[in-house]
Amino acid sequence: AQSVTQLGSHVSVSEGALVLLRCNYSSSVPPYLFWYVQYPNQGLQLLLKYTTGATLVKGINGFEAEFKKSETSFHLTKPSAHMSDAAEYFCAVSARYGNKLVFGAGTILRVKS
Amino acid sequence: DVKVTQSSRYLVKRTGEKVFLECVQDMDHENMFWYRQDPGLGLRLIYFSYDVKMKEKGDIPEGYSVSREKKERFSLILESASTNQTSMYLCASSLIRQIQQYFGPGTRLTVT
Repeated sequence: AQSVTQLGSHVSVSEGALVLLRCNYSSSVPPYLFWYVQYPNQGLQLLLKYTTGATLVKGINGFEAEFKKSETSFHLTKPSAHMSDAAEYFCAVSARYGNKLVFGAGTILRVKS
Repeated sequence: DVKVTQSSRYLVKRTGEKVFLECVQDMDHENMFWYRQDPGLGLRLIYFSYDVKMKEKGDIPEGYSVSREKKERFSLILESASTNQTSMYLCASSLIRQIQQYFGPGTRLTVT
């Protein structure tokens, strides 16, 4: 069984500051890991995913995440926040040979000018 | 681009009504999913389907049913809507051998 914990339901950063959204997962089998973003009144859009290979994954809009097996983490970062990054972010995990995603509770990112 | 559409963005229904939420995808995906999204709870899987006329219960199937008569269409049915089913409902689809899911814009359902 898989589960995801996102630390911090709300994160507030200043424009230009580092964005760090935390995600820890639990999985009894090798995981696939995802970050999705949801802008207001929209569906979810894939930011990035880790399947196999390089543990540092780059996604859209300047975001990246690093898979750390020893820490069971997949934190999302962006060096410099932009006002357009304000949204809700979801971390998700799937078993490598399964087809269902398990989502975290989400983190709302606020960007202050 | 994959396109997943949902029949309504906003829906208001009365308690006890039968409610149909429709989802259509245009990329010939085998898998289709229905989630509900509630603040602080993330997305929770209601039902999914991996083929026409096939369905499996997700984590919270109580009070819901589904129908998949055609590959591109997956319907969520609330047999008798209740106020605790007020929520955002998201549909998604994926290929059979891909984990990545593609999401529709969501239907915000209010049951009064």
